[in-house]
Amino acid sequence: GEDVEQSLFLSVREGDSSVINCTYTDSSSTYLYWYKQEPGAGLQLLTYIFSNMDMKQDQRLTVLLNKKDKHLSLRIADTQTGDSAIYFCAEGFGNEKLTFGTGTRLTIIP
Amino acid sequence: GAVVSQHPSWVICKSGTSVKIECRSLDFQATTMFWYRQFPKQSLMLMATSNEGSKATYEQGVEKDKFLINHASLTLSTLTVTSAHPEDSSFYICSAREDPLRSAAGAQYFGPGTRLLVL
Repeated sequence: GEDVEQSLFLSVREGDSSVINCTYTDSSSTYLYWYKQEPGAGLQLLTYIFSNMDMKQDQRLTVLLNKKDKHLSLRIADTQTGDSAIYFCAEGFGNEKLTFGTGTRLTIIP
Repeated sequence: GAVVSQHPSWVICKSGTSVKIECRSLDFQATTMFWYRQFPKQSLMLMATSNEGSKATYEQGVEKDKFLINHASLTLSTLTVTSAHPEDSSFYICSAREDPLRSAAGAQYFGPGTRLLVL
């Protein structure tokens, strides 16, 4: 079955890099996504990676995918207070559904 | 681009009444829309998938007669919570998926959510 796990909490000092990790069990996904959710709001698509890729960089965001270990990570460089949010990874399958991780709450320490 | 709106953003209603939530894709045509439910401090739970012009596909455990979904056009889907009860209080989020041949990775774009409180 589909199971996506994330650490619940991460605290990072302002200016440092944040690394949010995600593990999954179903390797048949076609794309993997990272979404950001701020308090009381919907989800904002941050970035995505095709399942055949190893890495994708987009400005301050770097996504690493280790398909062998079924491990996905999101690195946020130079973390700012505006990055405080809950980050969800998600697997996308050919049937269009997304399976979301449990979410990681990122807290920025001044 | 890829903006999805929801209306209303929050609603308080009495037990037994019905509530309709609208989800609109503002700058693209959404062949598929999804409805999710999110409880406090939890992840999103997919309720149903709706394709324009056809019946919605509900996830296991979701009552289709209670959560009525209509996807009458390529830019609008509605979720009606019928005879709402306090246990239906939750944060309801919709997402819209553009034709994967036209959009990046067939990504889903999410609305801002509707907070429902049933008294």
